[in-house]
Amino acid sequence: QKEVEQDPGPLSVPEGAIVSLNCTYSNSAFQYFMWYRQYSRKGPELLMYTYSSGNKEDGRFTAQVDKSSKYISLFIRDSQPSDSATYLCAMKVGGAQKLVFGQGTRLTINP
Amino acid sequence: EAGVTQFPSHSVIEKGQTVTLRCDPISGHDNLYWYRRVMGKEIKFLLHFVKESKQDESGMPNNRFLAERTGGTYSTLKVQPAELEDSGVYFCASSRLLAGVSGANVLTFGAGSRLTVL
Repeated sequence: QKEVEQDPGPLSVPEGAIVSLNCTYSNSAFQYFMWYRQYSRKGPELLMYTYSSGNKEDGRFTAQVDKSSKYISLFIRDSQPSDSATYLCAMKVGGAQKLVFGQGTRLTINP
Repeated sequence: EAGVTQFPSHSVIEKGQTVTLRCDPISGHDNLYWYRRVMGKEIKFLLHFVKESKQDESGMPNNRFLAERTGGTYSTLKVQPAELEDSGVYFCASSRLLAGVSGANVLTFGAGSRLTVL
């Protein structure tokens, strides 16, 4: 069983829609939860990170962590074609350096 | 600030040959990481340097892989001899060393080196 599960998609939605991306995990020691965005032929770029449970908002992006369910989400409001990319969740144990990634969800926003 | 630079961007070699990938981290970033993504799989950790010292190489697949970071600046990852299953994208990332902080460590990734072993 993988430590982090993420539906690879692909996911295709119309412009302006609310997008929900999710990951589940099995390691209860994870404390830091990240979302990376990766455009084609580029490296992953950190979008947001959250420590422990709770919500974090940054513009059109909201990250949620539910440690009791071992479930994290990324919401994108008013999605734009420029949001089309692969979104990767990643997690780590506090104090550790190693990130554990999900497989990534390929998202397309259609104009 | 210049980003993390990796080269070659793409390398095609035959099974049994040797390939060396190079990573130039952001200047002043003492942490340097190598990750790999095999087709259809998730990105996986390979190893972590602090300056020139290997801190964690638990993700290195086998002894055909050798990573070095001479002088604590750029790093190389050598695969010798390459096998078919080594094909994938090798990412390098770097971050600042934050003394006494065990929180989220913001990594900057390079664009990756795509390795194809035929």
